[in-house]
Amino acid sequence: QKEVEQDPGPLSVPEGAIVSLNCTYSNSAFQYFMWYRQYSRKGPELLMYTYSSGNKEDGRFTAQVDKSSKYISLFIRDSQPSDSATYLCAMSARGIDKLIFGTGTRLQVFP
Amino acid sequence: EPEVTQTPSHQVTQMGQEVILRCVPISNHLYFYWYRQILGQKVEFLVSFYNNEISEKSEIFDDQFSVERPDGSNFTLKIRSTKLEDSAMYFCASTPSLGAQIEQYFGPGTRLTVT
Repeated sequence: QKEVEQDPGPLSVPEGAIVSLNCTYSNSAFQYFMWYRQYSRKGPELLMYTYSSGNKEDGRFTAQVDKSSKYISLFIRDSQPSDSATYLCAMSARGIDKLIFGTGTRLQVFP
Repeated sequence: EPEVTQTPSHQVTQMGQEVILRCVPISNHLYFYWYRQILGQKVEFLVSFYNNEISEKSEIFDDQFSVERPDGSNFTLKIRSTKLEDSAMYFCASTPSLGAQIEQYFGPGTRLTVT
């Protein structure tokens, strides 16, 4: 079983839609959960970071962590064409540890 | 806003040659990392560095790889004798690692092409 699993997509949605991106993981030691956005041939850009279980909201983005199910989600409200990118989940056991990444989900938002 | 910078943006080298990839982490950050991403694959951890020594390294980071912080600002990754399979994007990252500030910020990457 892979340590972090993420549906690669692509996910294609109309502008204004609510997008749900998800990852599952197998290592119960993970405590820090991050979402990055990556444009083609660019570096990952940090969107959100959550510690342990719970929700965190930042503008149109909401991150959820359910440690009991080993499942994390990123919701994007009122999606825009500029949100079209690959979204990577990443996690670590301690904050300073290496990040373990999912494969990324490619999202396309069409006008 | 401070950001991680990397040079060069693209490096082409012949198999067997040495390459040095350079990074300038964010100035008050304490932990530094190198990751790589082979085209179409996931981002993979190579090595972490703190207090002038390696904290952790992956199986990928064999004797052909080394890291150095030669001065107060630069952080370098050296590949001694490149192989075709070293072709990838290499990302440097840094984190302040102060209390709850553990987010890793990534640079734009260096695309390494080994021919």
